[in-house]
Amino acid sequence: NAGVTQTPKFRILKIGQSMTLQCTQDMNHNYMYWYRQDPGMGLKLIYYSVGAGITDKGEVPNGYNVSRSTTEDFPLRLELAAPSQTSVYFCASSLQLSPLHFGNGTRLTVT
Amino acid sequence: GENVEQHPSTLSVQEGDSAVIKCTYSDSASNYFPWYKQELGKRPQLIIDIRSNVGEKKDQRIAVTLNKTAKHFSLHITETQPEDSAVYFCAPLGGNDMRFGAGTRLTVKP
Repeated sequence: NAGVTQTPKFRILKIGQSMTLQCTQDMNHNYMYWYRQDPGMGLKLIYYSVGAGITDKGEVPNGYNVSRSTTEDFPLRLELAAPSQTSVYFCASSLQLSPLHFGNGTRLTVT
Repeated sequence: GENVEQHPSTLSVQEGDSAVIKCTYSDSASNYFPWYKQELGKRPQLIIDIRSNVGEKKDQRIAVTLNKTAKHFSLHITETQPEDSAVYFCAPLGGNDMRFGAGTRLTVKP
């Protein structure tokens, strides 16, 4: 099992550009999450999904979009990147009421 | 969504001492209580968890205690070692959205 795989590991965007952060898991987990972590801070929930075809907003959804067309994949879309979106993005998956399995993160810089 | 508070935000102990971190939550329906450890530059990883039908769980030097009436649970680390230095997060779960506390930075001085 590869677990949770995130790509890319690093990315630099210019203000106003768009990109998609990829996340895939091979553990057949129903639940998937996207978090952002600013330097020295905690994890903030952006979006989550309880299964294919279902997504919900978390604490900080503005400026992001997600889709969940399959159990395995949960991409995060940034439209019109802003400097405030500079952060480390973590994708995670789990079964119900079970530990989160995190990917290694994507370090995004918007300049 | 769940309101989660962690205390203290920073904690410094001597090697061999004990450390206790407390997590307070708002949702009385919460029924899963994990603690995660995040070392610098790495992803968070689960260190211990407890479910609502259990009051305490121990795994070697680490333990978690739960007080559902008061809506808080605590992480206990005994005989601390320098490799315990990290940021610790609680993430009580009641609904489907797992939200994290702000974190506690633990420093263990040799």
